[in-house]
Amino acid sequence: GQNIDQPTEMTATEGAIVQINCTYQTSGFNGLFWYQQHAGEAPTFLSYNVLDGLEEKGRFSSFLSRSKGYSYLLLKELQMKDSASYLCAVVDSNYQLIWGAGTKLIIKP
Amino acid sequence: IAGITQAPTSQILAAGRRMTLRCTQDMRHNAMYWYRQDLGLGLRLIHYSNTAGTTGKGEVPDGYSVSRANTDDFPLTLASAVPSQTSVYFCASSKTPDGGDTQYFGPGTRLTVL
Repeated sequence: GQNIDQPTEMTATEGAIVQINCTYQTSGFNGLFWYQQHAGEAPTFLSYNVLDGLEEKGRFSSFLSRSKGYSYLLLKELQMKDSASYLCAVVDSNYQLIWGAGTKLIIKP
Repeated sequence: IAGITQAPTSQILAAGRRMTLRCTQDMRHNAMYWYRQDLGLGLRLIHYSNTAGTTGKGEVPDGYSVSRANTDDFPLTLASAVPSQTSVYFCASSKTPDGGDTQYFGPGTRLTVL
């Protein structure tokens, strides 16, 4: 079967750095997305990785290791507005998106 | 404003009733999707459409139907609602059906079936 694992919930302090991990076992791999979803709102695109390595975009970075079936999202200089759920999604061999259940990130002052 | 709109925002429905959730996009995207999101579960694909005139079944299609008469609209119909269909429904679109293409989501419809 296809499986994507993320921690259910994480807590971090304003101004700190947090790493949200995602591991996957899917039928094939054609890329990995990270989306952000604030409570009661729609998911919005953060990043897309298809090759191994780190992609940096402002305060957010995303890393991929295809051989390990592993990705992480790194958030720096945390702000209160970063409190949200972070969704990991993998593009499988049929070019369909398989979604993880999401990680709820709580930022404390 | 470009994007995706959904209607209604929320709805309470009696079991057994028929309901259509509306979705419209103005980005001229070819592909459109319907998902449901339940607490503790990832987004699950109900139905999708790669281009106007075609539709396909996703992971959880039972009890739902869709149509894609034109590029902009992708309504989702519950023929006879059941309580297990209580969920938040998101419509999304992407420029192409390639899974590697970014999907853009509508604001969602919160549906409660009693």
